[in-house]
Amino acid sequence: EVQLVQSGAEVKKPGESLKISCKGSGYSFTSYWIGWVRQMPGKGLEWMGIIYPGDSDTRYSPSFQGQVTISADKSISTAYLQWSSLKASDTAMYYCARRIATGYSYGFDYWGQGTLVTVSS
Amino acid sequence: NFMLTQPHSVSESPGKTVTISCTRSSGSIASSYVQWYQQRPGSSPTTVIYEDNQRPSGVPDRFSGSIDSSSNSASLTISGLKTEDEADYYCQSYDSSNQNWVFGGGTKLTVL
Repeated sequence: EVQLVQSGAEVKKPGESLKISCKGSGYSFTSYWIGWVRQMPGKGLEWMGIIYPGDSDTRYSPSFQGQVTISADKSISTAYLQWSSLKASDTAMYYCARRIATGYSYGFDYWGQGTLVTVSS
Repeated sequence: NFMLTQPHSVSESPGKTVTISCTRSSGSIASSYVQWYQQRPGSSPTTVIYEDNQRPSGVPDRFSGSIDSSSNSASLTISGLKTEDEADYYCQSYDSSNQNWVFGGGTKLTVL
C-alpha cells in the first residue's frame, strides 16, 4: 500500500528555522516525483515545488523560490521542506503528494496527511 | 502563464447531477492533462480524476471528467449526489512554458 506519512504539527516563532518531512512507503521512492503544496487557513491549494528523489532534480514555483528549500534523502525514502527564517505568513497546512508516474501526466495520485505549521510570537 | 478559474461554490440536492467547471485563461485546455481533487473538511486532498477523465481505483463511476476545447475548459461531473460528496474540489494542470503546476481556486460543493 502506497503511503506518504508526514511529520507532526509544529509551533514556531518568527525567525526560527524548520524542516518538515514526508516519508514514502509501499513503492519505489526514487522513481516518483514528490511535490509540496501549501494551504493557508481557509484558502486553496498552492503548488510550491517538486523533487525527484532519484537524482534530487528540483523545481520551484516562482512564488516560493528562495523562500523554502526542498530536498530528499533516498536512503530513508524521505522528502523534506525547510525554512531558514519563518514568518507569520508561513502559517499553513503543508501537504506532500506523489506525482503520477506516466510521462505526460502532471497530476498527483497520493497525498500525505498534512503538516500544520503555526508561526506566532 | 495561465490561470484556472472555477466557480466559488455550487449546490445541488441529493440524487441530482452537478457539474463544476475549470476554465483555462490562455493556451489550449487540451495541451496538458487536467486533474481533479476532492478535499473534505478537515482532510487532505484525494484524487478523483486524473488525465482529464481517468478515475483512480476506488473512485465511484458517479465521478467523471471531460474537457471542451470550444470553451477551453474542463469539467467534473458528479451524478447521483450523496451528502458525502460535500467537499471542496480543485482542478489542476501543468504549465509547460515555465514547468509550473497550476491549481484552480477551488469550488465548494454543498449537497442539501
